[in-house]
Amino acid sequence: GAGVSQSPSNKVTEKGKDVELRCDPISGHTALYWYRQSLGQGLEFLIYFQGNSAPDKSGLPSDRFSAERTGGSVSTLTIQRTQQEDSAVYLCASSLLGGNYNSPLHFGNGTRLTVT
Amino acid sequence: SQQGEEDPQALSIQEGENATMNCSYKTSINNLQWYRQNSGRGLVHLILIRSNEREKHSGRLRVTLDTSKKSSSLLITASRAADTASYFCATNSGYALNFGKGTSLLVTP
Repeated sequence: GAGVSQSPSNKVTEKGKDVELRCDPISGHTALYWYRQSLGQGLEFLIYFQGNSAPDKSGLPSDRFSAERTGGSVSTLTIQRTQQEDSAVYLCASSLLGGNYNSPLHFGNGTRLTVT
Repeated sequence: SQQGEEDPQALSIQEGENATMNCSYKTSINNLQWYRQNSGRGLVHLILIRSNEREKHSGRLRVTLDTSKKSSSLLITASRAADTASYFCATNSGYALNFGKGTSLLVTP
């Protein structure tokens, strides 16, 4: 079956522009996560969606970052007025159940964002 | 926040040798998971060990968990060149999984 799909795979944008990153999770997975990975670093948690509950936005680094999950499926991460420090790989993951339910995460291949 | 911390940061071994990576964490957990990441790709789940388990096996992988020391280890036996990748441990804090910076493993033929 299809895994987690992210688009675009690469995005180059000018500083100050807005970008939208898309994630299609595995069908039927109730939980969806966004992480950010800078070069040679670990994964930085950004936001978590679980079913119809309010998302956990505690990891978003600034109010320039926002995310939506429509119909409990597709998610979009939006970065407004991009800065060079936003350059990173943005990874999306989904899981059948939430993190407290011993449910492993399935990751997409990420979107590599470069802000020039 | 990054709760899991892997050690060593980098490891280089020859094919056929065993590779051991360690993970330490700070707060109580429900489970601990290990993931693998090949260059330029997403992470792939390897194994999950619950907080009430002490050891778990999957193929050439062996994971141990010591909740009293807040530490875990991942052993890869009889390593292959294809095992070259970064390995991350992840623990849950609330609902999100927190990942460390990973151990970069290089297996040379």
